[in-house]
Amino acid sequence: DAKTTQPPSMDCAEGRAANLPCNHSTISGNEYVYWYRQIHSQGPQYIIHGLKNNETNEMASLIITEDRKSSTLILPHATLRDTAVYYCIVRGDQAGTALIFGKGTTLSVSS
Amino acid sequence: DGGITQSPKYLFRKEGQNVTLSCEQNLNHDAMYWYRQDPGQGLRLIYYSQIVNDFQKGDIAEGYSVSREKKESFPLTVTSAQKNPTAFYLCASSWDRGWRGTEAFFGQGTRLTVV
Repeated sequence: DAKTTQPPSMDCAEGRAANLPCNHSTISGNEYVYWYRQIHSQGPQYIIHGLKNNETNEMASLIITEDRKSSTLILPHATLRDTAVYYCIVRGDQAGTALIFGKGTTLSVSS
Repeated sequence: DGGITQSPKYLFRKEGQNVTLSCEQNLNHDAMYWYRQDPGQGLRLIYYSQIVNDFQKGDIAEGYSVSREKKESFPLTVTSAQKNPTAFYLCASSWDRGWRGTEAFFGQGTRLTVV
């Protein structure tokens, strides 16, 4: 079973920041938080991951709370192309650990 | 270009026939994975492999089989024992050691329709 809880859907206006929350209250010390997104009928695309520090790359920022029980993915200036299903996944770093997907959040960006 | 390739993109088969879905990667990744996705649902893990000649069942392995004879290839066979084979199938690969990064890269999927 997925170890994360996400809202089923969210809306965002184009050009505004999209803040996608994720709860992972049972996360353990060696588990990372990963974010992927899936645009309709395509394979999922890796966005970002982190352990306990906030992370930023060219696509997004990841904010992890101090107790690590929740996180927020931030798309700073959402565009129509960011409309997708966003998956938050908790994964250990040991060998042989597969990604377990939940149902994710459907983000709809509108003009 | 480095990447992961699934073929074909669309596949039609008659009920009762076995069918094999191809997945090839040239990223030199250790681990490979197969997922199934039904409409409006998340991805469910079928099988995964950490190294050549070794693989483990995922959550929904019944009715499927895999092989890992080469590092680059991880074909999935959907057998006649799979009761609802029509679905979108996704293959992925990743390093299997944390210090090299463990993000997974996905292929573009094969949409299998059984009639």
